[in-house]
Amino acid sequence: AQSVTQLDSQVPVFEEAPVELRCNYSSSVSVYLFWYVQYPNQGLQLLLKYLSGSTLVKGINGFEAEFNKSQTSFHLRKPSVHISDTAEYFCAVSESLPGTYKYIFGTGTRLKVLA
Amino acid sequence: KAGVTQTPRYLIKTRGQQVTLSCSPISGHRSVSWYQQTPGQGLQFLFEYFSETQRNKGNFPGRFSGRQFSNSRSEMNVSTLELGDSALYLCASSWTGKKTEAFFGQGTRLTVV
Repeated sequence: AQSVTQLDSQVPVFEEAPVELRCNYSSSVSVYLFWYVQYPNQGLQLLLKYLSGSTLVKGINGFEAEFNKSQTSFHLRKPSVHISDTAEYFCAVSESLPGTYKYIFGTGTRLKVLA
Repeated sequence: KAGVTQTPRYLIKTRGQQVTLSCSPISGHRSVSWYQQTPGQGLQFLFEYFSETQRNKGNFPGRFSGRQFSNSRSEMNVSTLELGDSALYLCASSWTGKKTEAFFGQGTRLTVV
């Protein structure tokens, strides 16, 4: 069965510093990968997605992620964070199998940007 | 373009009651999914509908049910509420339910007392 692991529940980082949020997944078939962000009292907003092709994907707000099939990882990075990036970030996978229409989410990483 | 609308935003119910939550997807989207979000379990998939048909179902008891109407609006129902059903219920809509971006509503915060 597919699963998603976000090892870091909380990541504090100073403003303008780089950040990496880690995501590992487990699946016996090929997957589609997503990163979502959730601000307090809001729904989830898509940051970026990997469906196929180039393993480096760029998203909104300066975020990017790299798909590594051999390590089954899809880590999210930003070279310089802002206070406004403080939020919870979720990694999600969806299997490419026919008849599969659900996302499996990780438990989330709370990013706290410090002034 | 209007986003995904969930009503109500907040709800307080008593154990044993039932509740119905509503989700209006983005215009043109035919796939609607429901998720339960709790601090302990994170986001868990409930079910997905496409053109009024349930295509996928998560591992939730039969007390949790849903449906989708011909205009793609969806409802989910929880019967015989338990304290553990307290959660944020999120609805997401997309064109096809696979590969395409899922747009989430702000959720319905259900508190069971």
